[in-house]
Amino acid sequence: SQTIHQWPATLVQPVGSPLSLECTVEGTSNPNLYWYRQAAGRGLQLLFYSVGIGQISSEVPQNLSASRPQDRQFILSSKKLLLSDSGFYLCAWNPTGTVNTEAFFGQGTRLTVV
Amino acid sequence: GNSVTQMEGPVTLSEEAFLTINCTYTATGYPSLFWYVQYPGEGLQLLLKATKADDKGSNKGFEATYRKETTSFHLEKGSVQVSDSAVYFCALNLGLRGGGSNYKLTFGKGTLLTVNP
Repeated sequence: SQTIHQWPATLVQPVGSPLSLECTVEGTSNPNLYWYRQAAGRGLQLLFYSVGIGQISSEVPQNLSASRPQDRQFILSSKKLLLSDSGFYLCAWNPTGTVNTEAFFGQGTRLTVV
Repeated sequence: GNSVTQMEGPVTLSEEAFLTINCTYTATGYPSLFWYVQYPGEGLQLLLKATKADDKGSNKGFEATYRKETTSFHLEKGSVQVSDSAVYFCALNLGLRGGGSNYKLTFGKGTLLTVNP
């Protein structure tokens, strides 16, 4: 069966420090991968998605970047965090080429920038 | 453009009350529709889905019917429990830019449900 792992679960970082959040998927190949951010307790904003190794699309301009160095690994990074980067970050995946499928989410990372 | 609009709440109900959370969508073509649930401090879990018009998705006593004529996918439950307290998201799938047969989900803003004993 497929599983998705996301870590760390909680992170407190000072302003100006770097960031690296990692997400890995097991039990499938060539998944679509996504990073979402949830701010203010509710709404979900798609940050990045990837349809293959090295292929990253950004949905909104921001202080963050993403990389996909391996088929089932998706990394969210920042060189210098801002206070506004605080939020709940969710990684997700879905299979390639299946219109009716849902996305599967990790447990999330709570990032607090202080 | 494609979008999802759902009632923002918060919604507060007593245990055993009837629940409706409205969701309407705008989309080109015929998307699949989903309801996700998020319990405090956790990621999103799929609650139910419907892939074509008039389909009814159901799970854990929740139901939603894909209504093409009203572009709606309202979530209902006949008798809510305290354990149903969570944030509920309506979503639809869209084709990715340049992605061929790849799809992403676009979400509504979420509805916070609180059920009191």
